Amino acid sequence: DAMVIQNPRYQVTQFGKPVTLSCSQTLNHNVMYWYQQKSSQAPKLLFHYYDKDFNNEADTPDNFQSRRPNTSFCFLDIRSPGLGDAAMYLCATSRDFAAGGISGELFFGEGSRLTVL
Amino acid sequence: EDQVTQSPEALRLQEGESSSLNCSYTVSGLRGLFWYRQDPGKGPEFLFTLYSAGEEKEKERLKATLTKKESFLHITAPKPEDSATYLCAVQRRGGGSNYKLTFGKGTLLTVNP
Repeated sequence: DAMVIQNPRYQVTQFGKPVTLSCSQTLNHNVMYWYQQKSSQAPKLLFHYYDKDFNNEADTPDNFQSRRPNTSFCFLDIRSPGLGDAAMYLCATSRDFAAGGISGELFFGEGSRLTVL
Repeated sequence: EDQVTQSPEALRLQEGESSSLNCSYTVSGLRGLFWYRQDPGKGPEFLFTLYSAGEEKEKERLKATLTKKESFLHITAPKPEDSATYLCAVQRRGGGSNYKLTFGKGTLLTVNP
């Protein structure tokens, strides 16, 4: 089945040790997103790509970076994780309206849960 | 700033006991309101899009409605498999907001057999 796959599902790191989370999709969607979700909180958009165009949210810390080398893959880099960065990181995709996408219909992966020691 | 407030935070129902979840929103120019279901430890799963006041959408035991200030997710005769967190999100119209969803914290629904 076409889907959004995130790796790893669980990541444990030490304070300040860089982490990379990956996301791949077989849906061929042109828009990809990274959301951060802390326990019992709303998912918070960090950034999104429209094709190769990167769109950063104004309140996303510089500690968070992203790469999208091709349509299928997207990476989230956390350069120096702090205790406050422990969360579930959700990758999602959507199809542009022009390509027949439904507004607000995002396809999420199962998430990568980050623990910072 | 767009805001989404969901209530109650948690709801416990007996199987077959119908109820409603509420989503109040504040957004400058609503493009759409969306409902998602999230199972524990999983990513959210899309349920509905509502575009304008008065619109309704149905899927199995779920029915979503929209007014100018809030949306309701009605659950009719729920089953234990309906247990999940239900998230509401809004999207603002125009420009760079086209691809941003602002989510609420969700309502944790538990349906007991």
